[in-house]
Amino acid sequence: AQSVTQLDSQVPVFEEAPVELRCNYSSSVSVYLFWYVQYPNQGLQLLLKYLSGSTLVESINGFEAEFNKSQTSFHLRKPSVHISDTAEYFCAVLKRTGANNLFFGTGTRLTVIP
Amino acid sequence: DVKVTQSSRYLVKRTGEKVFLECVQDMDHENMFWYRQDPGLGLRLIYFSYDVKMKEKGDIPEGYSVSREKKERFSLILESASTNQTSMYLCASSLTSTGGYEQYFGPGTRLTVT
Repeated sequence: AQSVTQLDSQVPVFEEAPVELRCNYSSSVSVYLFWYVQYPNQGLQLLLKYLSGSTLVESINGFEAEFNKSQTSFHLRKPSVHISDTAEYFCAVLKRTGANNLFFGTGTRLTVIP
Repeated sequence: DVKVTQSSRYLVKRTGEKVFLECVQDMDHENMFWYRQDPGLGLRLIYFSYDVKMKEKGDIPEGYSVSREKKERFSLILESASTNQTSMYLCASSLTSTGGYEQYFGPGTRLTVT
């Protein structure tokens, strides 16, 4: 079975400061990894994903995440946050074989303080 | 752009009513999903479908049923609504193929059962 742990339910950070949102997963099989973002009153949008290749993946708005197989982690980072990054962030895993459904973490609410 | 639409953004129903939540996607995706989102619990999969007239139970199917008569439409049915089904409901769709494995989400329906 798959499970995803996001230990931090809320992360407040000052504008222009760096941030790291942690994600750990457990799975008996290889997985694909995703970060989704949910802005207030909206559905989820894909932020970035790791399928294969380079373990460091980037989004168009400055976020990056690194797949660490030995630590089964996929932490999300940004060197300098903006007010507009305030949102809820969900880590998710998808098994490489079998069913096509995602397993989500419980989410981390990032609040950027002016 | 892929578009996933949900019939209502907000819905208020009484206990015992039959409730229909509709979801439509316009990108010919084979897979469709229904999740519910609750604070502190993240997204939990209710049902999913890989093809027309096909359905599979997710993690929390009790109290729900689904219908997929056409490829683009996936309906979630609450046969007899209860107060513990008050939640945000999110629909998503994805392709079955090599590629992105990304799920595209609708804006959500916030259902209140009184």
